[in-house]
Amino acid sequence: QVQLQESGPGLVKPSETLSLTCTVSGGSISGYYWSWIRQPPGKGLEWIGYIYYTGSTNYNPSLKSRVTISVDTSKNQFSLKLRSVTAADTAVYYCARAYGDVWGQGNTVTVSS
Amino acid sequence: EIVLTQSPGTLSLSPGERATLSCRASQSVSSSYLAWYQQKPGRAPRLLIYGASSRATGIPDTFSGSGSGTDFTLTISRLQPEDFAVYYCQQYGSSPYTFGQGTKLEIK
Repeated sequence: QVQLQESGPGLVKPSETLSLTCTVSGGSISGYYWSWIRQPPGKGLEWIGYIYYTGSTNYNPSLKSRVTISVDTSKNQFSLKLRSVTAADTAVYYCARAYGDVWGQGNTVTVSS
Repeated sequence: EIVLTQSPGTLSLSPGERATLSCRASQSVSSSYLAWYQQKPGRAPRLLIYGASSRATGIPDTFSGSGSGTDFTLTISRLQPEDFAVYYCQQYGSSPYTFGQGTKLEIK
């Protein structure tokens, strides 16, 4: 069955760029929409955006000026970049198939100097 | 942006009882594009219901979803010990896709 695995640094300095990659295994990235969602400590879920395997994207307006989601079909991966981070971006970051039926286990990212 | 309000914030029930969780939208959810998730501590959310009333693969029939427009309900007919968790609704009919703030279902 399809599995997702997030990878990336767990600590990012303020004002720098958070970069995460999600690797899709057990199936193809093609034909689907793929999402990033985050969850600050002790809080609820926030949808960041999605990408179609062709590269078309849709972002949450609250983050749109700082977010880029990209896809690499040759590697069966999609990625998240969040620029100019602050402490408010500290969260568990999840990748998921956009239907919501498959999720990664989450990557905890702390923004701190 | 569609705001989803879940109620109650916390629900205290005993195993074997019936749970009813509510999700109200600030405007109509397009084509009933409403999902319910269960999340346990330290775990990713798990999809329970999509399209307001369709159970996801492997979800027992003790879970059911209903509603349309702005009012949606998740019902758990007979609570099992493993059902105590936080539940979120999400609308995916209108961008940005939004989540409710969650209902914590705790053992009484």
